[in-house]
Amino acid sequence: DGGITQSPKYLFRKEGQNVTLSCEQNLNHDAMYWYRQDPGQGLRLIYYSQIVNDFQKGDIAEGYSVSREKKESFPLTVTSAQKNPTAFYLCATRQGAGGYTFGSGTRLTVV
Amino acid sequence: AQSVTQLGSHVSVSEGALVLLRCNYSSSVPPYLFWYVQYPNQGLQLLLKYTSAATLVKGINGFEAEFKKSETSFHLTKPSAHMSDAAEYFCAVSDTGYDKVIFGPGTSLSVIP
Repeated sequence: DGGITQSPKYLFRKEGQNVTLSCEQNLNHDAMYWYRQDPGQGLRLIYYSQIVNDFQKGDIAEGYSVSREKKESFPLTVTSAQKNPTAFYLCATRQGAGGYTFGSGTRLTVV
Repeated sequence: AQSVTQLGSHVSVSEGALVLLRCNYSSSVPPYLFWYVQYPNQGLQLLLKYTSAATLVKGINGFEAEFKKSETSFHLTKPSAHMSDAAEYFCAVSDTGYDKVIFGPGTSLSVIP
């Protein structure tokens, strides 16, 4: 079945450490997105990519980085510059104007 | 600028009662509108979408929503709530369907047996 795989499901980060969240899709969708979800704040856009080798900052890109070397993959790195990284991270794809398809998310916790 | 408001961060209904979740949007052009549902520790699932065709949109799990341009609203309804409907619901808007989607803050639905 086609879908989006986010891994790991749970991730723990120490202070000052960079971590990378994986997002892989086999839907052949062109556009991919990363959102951050905090309780009571809905979803906030971190980065998005419309095509391979191109990506744009969203509303809260500071402290994050991405790459899009392959159509199937859009990994998100949470750097040590992100001071409050504890959140639920969601990857999504879009093909056409039909809305997003979401992965199952990664819950990141700072320890 | 686009924005979405959802009246009521938490709504409780009895099992079998009508579900009404409110959504109002602002957009400079006829928008694309979406409702998503999220169960705990899961991603979001598309319930239904409005793309300038019929104003009454039917979705999955018995949900439907009506686009009212004069009221800039896109409220979600279901005639009879089921326990499995308990979840977080998000309304979202996009100007063209191809650009960024803006999400509302969400409404948590509880269903009381």
